[in-house]
Amino acid sequence: QVQLVESGGGVVQPGGSLRLSCAASGFTFSSCGMHWVRQAPGKGLEWVTFIRYDGTNKYYTDSVKGRFTISRDTSKNTLYLEMNTLRAEDTAVYYCATDWTFSHMGVWGKGTTVTVSS
Amino acid sequence: QTVVTQEPSFSVSPGGTVTLTCGLSFGSVSTNFYPSWYQQTPGQAPRTLIYSTSIRSSGVPDRFSGSILGNKAALTITGAQADDESDYYCVLYMGSGIWVFGGGTKLTVL
Repeated sequence: QVQLVESGGGVVQPGGSLRLSCAASGFTFSSCGMHWVRQAPGKGLEWVTFIRYDGTNKYYTDSVKGRFTISRDTSKNTLYLEMNTLRAEDTAVYYCATDWTFSHMGVWGKGTTVTVSS
Repeated sequence: QTVVTQEPSFSVSPGGTVTLTCGLSFGSVSTNFYPSWYQQTPGQAPRTLIYSTSIRSSGVPDRFSGSILGNKAALTITGAQADDESDYYCVLYMGSGIWVFGGGTKLTVL
């Protein structure tokens, strides 16, 4: 069955960096666009970034442009989120999700927690 | 700045019907925004309920339905059950590779 497993979360100081991973299985990863969505403590869901199935196009919400980079490694069936210059407001649970039709999130992972604090 | 609007909270009686809506701070929601709906219980990952306005995701009971009502997207739950008590989020595709979530609706079944 389709499964997504996020990892790489942790505690980091403001200004620091972190790389999240999302291991995909049970489907043809190379045919599927992928999202990262986050949820700050006690808050709603926020779309962060999307990468097309072939990696040719990447899109970001304004608040992370220039700081976050989405990428994928088809040989490893893994999605990444490189996060630099982290701020306290980046503290959240980060979820990856599939998108086969460039229109919506399909299957979700269970999330990984990022805490930005000194 | 684009704002997607949802009712902050709603309540429904067991067995009742409730319609949650998803609007825009400007203009109308149409099928061109590919509205989708997600259910989330505390501490859990979201679950996809509806996509492309009205298509139920695999395994979603048919008591959940999606539509366009007036100038908003809508999620209707018919015959609400206790375990439908959750947060519900809509997402609109704004074009140019940008998605925007609504603030979510906390549904109480009592």
